[in-house]
Amino acid sequence: KAGVTQTPRYLIKTRGQQVTLSCSPISGHRSVSWYQQTPGQGLQFLFEYFSETQRNKGNFPGRFSGRQFSNSRSEMNVSTLELGDSALYLCASSSPSGGVREQYFGPGTRLTVT
Amino acid sequence: AQKVTQAQTEISVVEKEDVTLDCVYETRDTTYYLFWYKQPPSGELVFLIRRNSFDEQNEISGRYSWNFQKSTSSFNFTITASQVVDSAVYFCALSSGGRRALTFGSGTRLQVQP
Repeated sequence: KAGVTQTPRYLIKTRGQQVTLSCSPISGHRSVSWYQQTPGQGLQFLFEYFSETQRNKGNFPGRFSGRQFSNSRSEMNVSTLELGDSALYLCASSSPSGGVREQYFGPGTRLTVT
Repeated sequence: AQKVTQAQTEISVVEKEDVTLDCVYETRDTTYYLFWYKQPPSGELVFLIRRNSFDEQNEISGRYSWNFQKSTSSFNFTITASQVVDSAVYFCALSSGGRRALTFGSGTRLQVQP
């Protein structure tokens, strides 16, 4: 099976702009989660989607949003970018069966805000 | 609230040495899952192991072994006969309360010198 794919891999944006990141989960996985990784805050959970519904949300401002499509692909959007949004954004997918399963991560999108 | 503590920020060993990475977790839920992930320099998080709160059996997989002790809320990871390819940042993570959202520790950077 192909792994989790994320596009784009690298992105440079200017403060105040908005950005959309894309994630395609492993085939058959219907749960997609997003995480932000920064040197200062480490890995932090952003949100989780399952069957096009947001199931959980982390402690992030409303500028961070996401959605999931019927084919389980997911996008996250950050509006009004701030310098502090510079980070590696990781997407993960997991199988919905058998309780809380392990999450498989994509290579990430490295966002730089200038 | 849940929390994962990895007190060792960085460990440096010489190839073939054994090394143990510590992980201490906090949760009020009786059902929870613990995970270890490896993040090599490429940045992608690689799943290593998943353990639920009802299974305290230790596990061995090749040179890797995990020691889960509920009495001390610890889930430690040992690499036997370390190799240069083991150099990476290792994260311990927790999910509880039926949620898939992972709470990560701050990670331990392992450097294996030849």
